[in-house]
Amino acid sequence: DGGITQSPKYLFRKEGQNVTLSCEQNLNHDAMYWYRQDPGQGLRLIYYSQIVNDFQKGDIAEGYSVSREKKESFPLTVTSAQKNPTAFYLCASSIVFPANYGYTFGSGTRLTVV
Amino acid sequence: GQSLEQPSEVTAVEGAIVQINCTYQTSGFYGLSWYQQHDGGAPTFLSYNALDGLEETGRFSSFLSRSDSYGYLLLQELQMKDSASYFCAAPNNAGNMLTFGGGTRLMVKP
Repeated sequence: DGGITQSPKYLFRKEGQNVTLSCEQNLNHDAMYWYRQDPGQGLRLIYYSQIVNDFQKGDIAEGYSVSREKKESFPLTVTSAQKNPTAFYLCASSIVFPANYGYTFGSGTRLTVV
Repeated sequence: GQSLEQPSEVTAVEGAIVQINCTYQTSGFYGLSWYQQHDGGAPTFLSYNALDGLEETGRFSSFLSRSDSYGYLLLQELQMKDSASYFCAAPNNAGNMLTFGGGTRLMVKP
């Protein structure tokens, strides 16, 4: 079955540590996205990519980095520069245009700073 | 920029009808879509309105009025499993990326 796989489901980060969240899709979608969701809040865009080897900053990119070396994969690194990383992270993919034809989301990674 | 406004919370009883409103401000417009998210889960796509009017999908319907920059999601015959957060979303000016509203938490009571 086609879909998006995010791993791990739960992740714990120590102060000053970088961690990488995995996102893999087999939907043959060109566009991929990372969103952050805080409790009781909406989704805020961190980074997005519309094509391999290209990506753009979203609204809250500071303290995060991404890569898009393969169409299927869009990993997100939460760096030590991100001062408040505890949140629920969602990866999504879609055809590039128009985006209104539906995003497919992964099941999310819940990151906690310990 | 774009912004979408929704009520933060709505409560209704099982079997009732509930309407979740969404007002938006955007310089370009490619339509309005709705997503459902259960606690701890992934958002799932519910519906999409490109043109004015009502779109019906089973117990759920979505309405759009572009002249009023307004849309709503209508849930009928509410069931306990409908308790979730509901997000409206609209693409950016280029049409290639979604901006989400803050979400409406629906609580269905027996």
